[in-house]
Amino acid sequence: DVVMTQSPDSLAVSLGERATINCKSSQSVFYNSINKNYLAWYQQKPGQPPKLLIYWASTRVSGVSDRFSGSGSGTDFTLTISSLQAEDVAVYYCQQYYRIPCTFGPGTKVGIK
Amino acid sequence: EVQLLESGGGLVQPGGSLRLSCAVSGFTFSRYAMSWVRQAPGKGLEWVSSISGSGGSTYYADSVKGRFTVSRDNSNNTLNLQMNSLRAGDTALYYCAKDDSYGFPRFYFDYWGQGTRVTVAS
Repeated sequence: DVVMTQSPDSLAVSLGERATINCKSSQSVFYNSINKNYLAWYQQKPGQPPKLLIYWASTRVSGVSDRFSGSGSGTDFTLTISSLQAEDVAVYYCQQYYRIPCTFGPGTKVGIK
Repeated sequence: EVQLLESGGGLVQPGGSLRLSCAVSGFTFSRYAMSWVRQAPGKGLEWVSSISGSGGSTYYADSVKGRFTVSRDNSNNTLNLQMNSLRAGDTALYYCAKDDSYGFPRFYFDYWGQGTRVTVAS
């Protein structure tokens, strides 16, 4: 299975500051023939189901704030929240869908400093 | 508006069975692959199973293969998960999730239900 790791486990950021979450896959999730990384990011707020934020590593879901951006390729990826707002407090998960079983990272908890 | 509503969870003894269902509305159900993803208490997300839009192709995590069966009723817009030989390790909140892909699953999920809780304990 492709193992996903995330760092840090948690972080606290001041309102309006940048939050950066890293995700690493145990093997490349880049598919050469279509030039895409099979990597998604989800946000899960307490008591709620996950919400898809980004897919193909950097494609933002329609309606998701442009504060959220995804980058990276191959095995190393980043989710950036450019200016943290109170409503962004959540756990964030990366997920690879390059190989079955699709696998999720352990999550990064983002809070307010 | 896309809606997914899970049901069927509950408390079951080890070795027992449960059947989860997910009633879907707001999109053409038969066109999209669907999945089950679970989350153990206080833990992360684990993919369980997926099924193609037609129901002809199914996929399972190794941890549930041979014990769980996914199916769908496209005439009634319902996704099902038959869970047999349940173990304590199956205790989790089970989410129904819509795949973002027509037909065959792409295995990332653009809509999720609220989940139904399964507890396996004696």
